[in-house]
Amino acid sequence: KAGVTQTPRYLIKTRGQQVTLSCSPISGHRSVSWYQQTPGQGLQFLFEYFSETQRNKGNFPGRFSGRQFSNSRSEMNVSTLELGDSALYLCASSLVLAGGSSYNEQFFGPGTRLTVL
Amino acid sequence: TQLLEQSPQFLSIQEGENLTVYCNSSSVFSSLQWYRQEPGEGPVLLVTVVTGGEVKKLKRLTFQFGDARKDSSLHITAAQPGDTGLYLCAGAGNTDKLIFGTGTRLQVFP
Repeated sequence: KAGVTQTPRYLIKTRGQQVTLSCSPISGHRSVSWYQQTPGQGLQFLFEYFSETQRNKGNFPGRFSGRQFSNSRSEMNVSTLELGDSALYLCASSLVLAGGSSYNEQFFGPGTRLTVL
Repeated sequence: TQLLEQSPQFLSIQEGENLTVYCNSSSVFSSLQWYRQEPGEGPVLLVTVVTGGEVKKLKRLTFQFGDARKDSSLHITAAQPGDTGLYLCAGAGNTDKLIFGTGTRLQVFP
């Protein structure tokens, strides 16, 4: 079974630009979560999507948004990029049990390394 | 706010040594997971513990969940260079979100 894939792997942008990152979950996984990882703050939860709906959200500004498609693939968008948005953005998929509750075991992709200049 | 503190933050040891990483919180978690992340890759799940007092062994790695489900430890016996990486604990709390620990960076020298 193929793992979680993320594209692109590396991205360089300048301040003020916007960026869209893509994530394809493991086949059969319906929950997709996004995380930001930086040396100073560690791994922080951005949001989770399930059945094309945002189910959980972390403490990030509205410049960070996402969506999920009917095939469970997900995208996240960051508008008006700031220098502090430079980070590794990780996508993780998880299996959702009957009733819609995620089992919480996350399977991560390799991440997209975003550098904002 | 649920927080998970890991200690030590950094660990640099010689091959063959034993080590223990701690993951502590003042909050109760319904389950706790341990991940290892290597440079340039995403974290990879090592184990999930769900019962207070539970001990799980994975070859040279021993994981324990505290009786009160507020803390956990990871013990590695006879560390090898292949164990090098960032170790992260993550707790499932009162929401469906996973709360990740601050991380322990382990370097094992041959």
